[in-house]
Amino acid sequence: EPEVTQTPSHQVTQMGQEVILRCVPISNHLYFYWYRQILGQKVEFLVSFYNNEISEKSEIFDDQFSVERPDGSNFTLKIRSTKLEDSAMYFCASSTIGQRPEKLFFGSGTQLSVL
Amino acid sequence: QKEVEQDPGPLSVPEGAIVSLNCTYSNSAFQYFMWYRQYSRKGPELLMYTYSSGNKEDGRFTAQVDKSSKYISLFIRDSQPSDSATYLCAMSVRDSSYKLIFGSGTRLLVRP
Repeated sequence: EPEVTQTPSHQVTQMGQEVILRCVPISNHLYFYWYRQILGQKVEFLVSFYNNEISEKSEIFDDQFSVERPDGSNFTLKIRSTKLEDSAMYFCASSTIGQRPEKLFFGSGTQLSVL
Repeated sequence: QKEVEQDPGPLSVPEGAIVSLNCTYSNSAFQYFMWYRQYSRKGPELLMYTYSSGNKEDGRFTAQVDKSSKYISLFIRDSQPSDSATYLCAMSVRDSSYKLIFGSGTRLLVRP
């Protein structure tokens, strides 16, 4: 069964450093998303991406965050200058087109620890 | 009032029991209602979705929505140890149906 792949599974970084979280969505999917889950809190929406641009972003997704689809297969989330409060599990998801509601397929997540 | 509320559990039941998981919500604009299952160290996996009041059945799982009470449920019949996981309800509005608002999740343990 096709799946969304995320790397690395765990990333440790120092406060103020830049991190890039990587995702390979399901190959025929056209919508891409990032969600995150801070320990003990709910899974929350960060951003959606379609046709090489952001279609919607949450209040959390400030100027420190950016997303990119650098090639035909990868989808990345960059945090420019990490803060302690960015520590969370980051989930990438993708969905196909033409469905309502969209059926989101999630990856296994990248646990980001900011020290 | 929180948008989506879900009892975190844990809920422990013997194998074969009927499990009832519930969420309440406050936003009447929610149109789509989903249940996700999340195993430890994995991402959420869509189990069921519905967009109308009433019941929807899929194998051992039944999703129920009562829009008038702003209450949704997931029933699991003949529960198995492999059903042990965290169950997340999620909801969205029509125009941003990919923007899921999740509950906090209920941890379920099915004892053999």
